[in-house]
Amino acid sequence: NAGVTQTPKFRILKIGQSMTLQCTQDMNHNYMYWYRQDPGMGLKLIYYSVGAGITDKGEVPNGYNVSRSTTEDFPLRLELAAPSQTSVYFCASSFTGGGTDTQYFGPGTRLTVL
Amino acid sequence: DAKTTQPPSMDCAEGRAANLPCNHSTISGNEYVYWYRQIHSQGPQYIIHGLKNNETNEMASLIITEDRKSSTLILPHATLRDTAVYYCIVRSGATNKLIFGTGTLLAVQP
Repeated sequence: NAGVTQTPKFRILKIGQSMTLQCTQDMNHNYMYWYRQDPGMGLKLIYYSVGAGITDKGEVPNGYNVSRSTTEDFPLRLELAAPSQTSVYFCASSFTGGGTDTQYFGPGTRLTVL
Repeated sequence: DAKTTQPPSMDCAEGRAANLPCNHSTISGNEYVYWYRQIHSQGPQYIIHGLKNNETNEMASLIITEDRKSSTLILPHATLRDTAVYYCIVRSGATNKLIFGTGTLLAVQP
């Protein structure tokens, strides 16, 4: 299994541009998550999904959109990039989402908005 | 979810045990203690979790005090590859959310 994969690894955007961060998992996990990590800080939850067609907001959803049309894929969309969105973005997945469930993380996408 | 307190950094000699403390004095009865680590620039990696009893797996041991207000993650024989930020997270059994603090930067010295 490849686990959780993310593309691209790095990206530089200009203010106002849009882009989609891709996330795919091959573990047949129901739950998927998007986090962002600012320098020197812990991860913060942006959005999550409990299954295809179902998404919900996390702690810091403003400026982002998500969709979940398949079990495997959970793309994160930035519509109007702002410098405050410069961060490292991590996608994760877990099987059930329950209290003892383990989340598996991808390698991250490093985004810079100039 | 209960908040946790960890020292910002620790050093450990290679080959020695690394003991990483975590305080979670407001933990409630249905909340688990989780440990993840993040090696530089990589995604976080699950290490271990526990509720009341001490736990051990191939990576580490987790010691939880009887009152559950604190815990210690033990890496029995630290290597240079264990240099990472270690996050202690308290998580309700009813939620799928992980709330990350700033963790402890463990530096394993040769």
